[in-house]
Amino acid sequence: QVQLVDSGGGVVQPGLSLTLSCAASGFTFRTYAMHWVRQAPGKGLEWVAVIWSDGTTKFYTDSVKGRFTISRDTSKNTLYLQMNSLKTEDTAVYYCAATSPAFFGMDIWGQGTTVAVSS
Amino acid sequence: EIVLTQSPGTLSLSPGERATLSCRASQSVSSSYLAWYQQKPGQAPRLLIYGASSRATGIPDRFSGSGSGTDFTLTISRLEPEDFAVYFCQQYGSSSLYTFGQGTKLEIK
Repeated sequence: QVQLVDSGGGVVQPGLSLTLSCAASGFTFRTYAMHWVRQAPGKGLEWVAVIWSDGTTKFYTDSVKGRFTISRDTSKNTLYLQMNSLKTEDTAVYYCAATSPAFFGMDIWGQGTTVAVSS
Repeated sequence: EIVLTQSPGTLSLSPGERATLSCRASQSVSSSYLAWYQQKPGQAPRLLIYGASSRATGIPDRFSGSGSGTDFTLTISRLEPEDFAVYFCQQYGSSSLYTFGQGTKLEIK
């Protein structure tokens, strides 16, 4: 069935790095724009980054520019988020999400993976 | 950067009542790039509405979206117990940024 499975979260000290993964199945991954969206404890949704279906067009929210890198491996149907120089304010549940090529809207979501940045 | 402001912050209603949720943008938003999501505790968000007024696959017809420019509305015509959740609007616009509103919590009165 159509699904995204997030993984790679954990507890990490400030200043260190972590890489999240998102495995896609059941849909044509290469045609979808893929996003990372995060949600800090008790807060709303914050869009983090997107990589378009071309694999090269990428955009980031200002607070993660220069620290986070989004990438995708079409051969493995997997999305990644490399997070460097982590800060306590990066603590959140991170969701990967897919936007259909047919319309704007994140219609497929992962279950989320938790990142806790703490000393 | 476009800011989306949702109101009210919390809406207290009873099952069977009509819910009207507002999403106001700081600049004009293309209707094609306005979406609504529902999120229940401990779950990922679910797409309800795209293109301001089109229901996503499997979404009941009691959910409807409307609006244009800077003012958008999500209406739930007759609340079911499973509709009590948090609702977010989202837009894609200038500077290729995708922003969410802060959310409206729909709670049982």
